[in-house]
Amino acid sequence: DTEVTQTPKHLVMGMTNKKSLKCEQHMGHRAMYWYKQKAKKPPELMFVYSYEKLSINESVPSRFSPECPNSSLLNLHLHALQPEDSALYLCASSQVGSGANVLTFGAGSRLTVL
Amino acid sequence: TQLLEQSPQFLSIQEGENLTVYCNSSSVFSSLQWYRQEPGEGPVLLVTVVTGGEVKKLKRLTFQFGDARKDSSLHITAAQPGDTGLYLCAASGGSNYKLTFGKGTLLTVNP
Repeated sequence: DTEVTQTPKHLVMGMTNKKSLKCEQHMGHRAMYWYKQKAKKPPELMFVYSYEKLSINESVPSRFSPECPNSSLLNLHLHALQPEDSALYLCASSQVGSGANVLTFGAGSRLTVL
Repeated sequence: TQLLEQSPQFLSIQEGENLTVYCNSSSVFSSLQWYRQEPGEGPVLLVTVVTGGEVKKLKRLTFQFGDARKDSSLHITAAQPGDTGLYLCAASGGSNYKLTFGKGTLLTVNP
């Protein structure tokens, strides 16, 4: 299994809603990532988990809250988002150590904040 | 911060034409990856290059890593509409887990 699965594929939410994005991989990768991508732009790193511990937080606003319940799952909890947070949210995974920089991406969750 | 300059940003060509995308930096990288992203999908890894001067071929795609490991190019021969997408170079050289992405090249191949 060489896939990273993200759900939902599309999400529309109001600024007062609470929602979550989910990501799952069964490749035995111990590093998992959240990226944000605006149209026609490169992905921007948000968070990295290594061995289920938060390793990197790229100064992301607290309205985004990541969670890594186990080595296969990664969630991104969303609360009180702004319209400018509308984007494609990509989950990725990789090996740790020397293989850490070769990423397997999911198809993304397209988020629209109204 | 290590920067990757990717060019051109936009490219629209006819089916059958050749093209080259460049990825340049003043920094040395331990490895460099090329990804392709189709509309509505996540980026998919095409190749990783790690050795200076390395050349890798993937069907009609040829990837080169510069001798000094500061630059790379992607050449597509006889482009097809299925090659349409956003091409991203990405490199690592500093800390683990932090890839530096180029700004991307949006390629459109018209039938």
